[in-house]
Amino acid sequence: QKEVEQNSGPLSVPEGAIASLNCTYSDRGSQSFFWYRQYSGKSPELIMFIYSNGDKEDGRFTAQLNKASQYVSLLIRDSQPSDSATYLCAVNIFDRFSGGYNKLIFGAGTRLAVHP
Amino acid sequence: NAGVTQTPKFQVLKTGQSMTLQCAQDMNHNSMYWYRQDPGMGLRLIYYSASEGTTDKGEVPNGYNVSRLNKREFSLRLESAAPSQTSVYFCASSDFRAAATYEQYFGPGTRLTVT
Repeated sequence: QKEVEQNSGPLSVPEGAIASLNCTYSDRGSQSFFWYRQYSGKSPELIMFIYSNGDKEDGRFTAQLNKASQYVSLLIRDSQPSDSATYLCAVNIFDRFSGGYNKLIFGAGTRLAVHP
Repeated sequence: NAGVTQTPKFQVLKTGQSMTLQCAQDMNHNSMYWYRQDPGMGLRLIYYSASEGTTDKGEVPNGYNVSRLNKREFSLRLESAAPSQTSVYFCASSDFRAAATYEQYFGPGTRLTVT
């Protein structure tokens, strides 16, 4: 089982709709969860992070975390064509074999396509 | 601030050739990372440097070496390139701390093809 799993998509939604992206993870010790957006041919950029159960809202984006079920999701309201990109879920893993270093494990990403 | 810079942007190597990918950051970050990204595989950690003077292996270190030259610079070396190393390579940096905001800032990437 992969440590961080995402549906590869593509997830196709009409402009103005809500896009829902999901991610599951295997390490129950994970504390922090991140959503990165990556446009084709570009580098990833952070759009949201969350570390407490529940919802966290930032503009049109809402991150949802459920640690008991080990999933984290990203909702994009009023989706725009400019939101079309690959969304990477990342989970921090506490690596006790490397002096307590925290590292990020990335999912393979979900490709989102917003059509006019 | 330039953020994280990488050179070169593109490179084509023949099997067996060697090369060094350069990375520099001007954000005074302690930690730096090298990832590779392959279609359908997401980002996989090759090596990281939690702080100046230390380096550690990530998920896929075989065939690579790294050098943390100083706080700003972290290089990745391919000693004998293989076609399996064809990929996009990203360097990233972060201000390492134990808190939850563990954002990594990424460079623009190097697209490497090994023939």
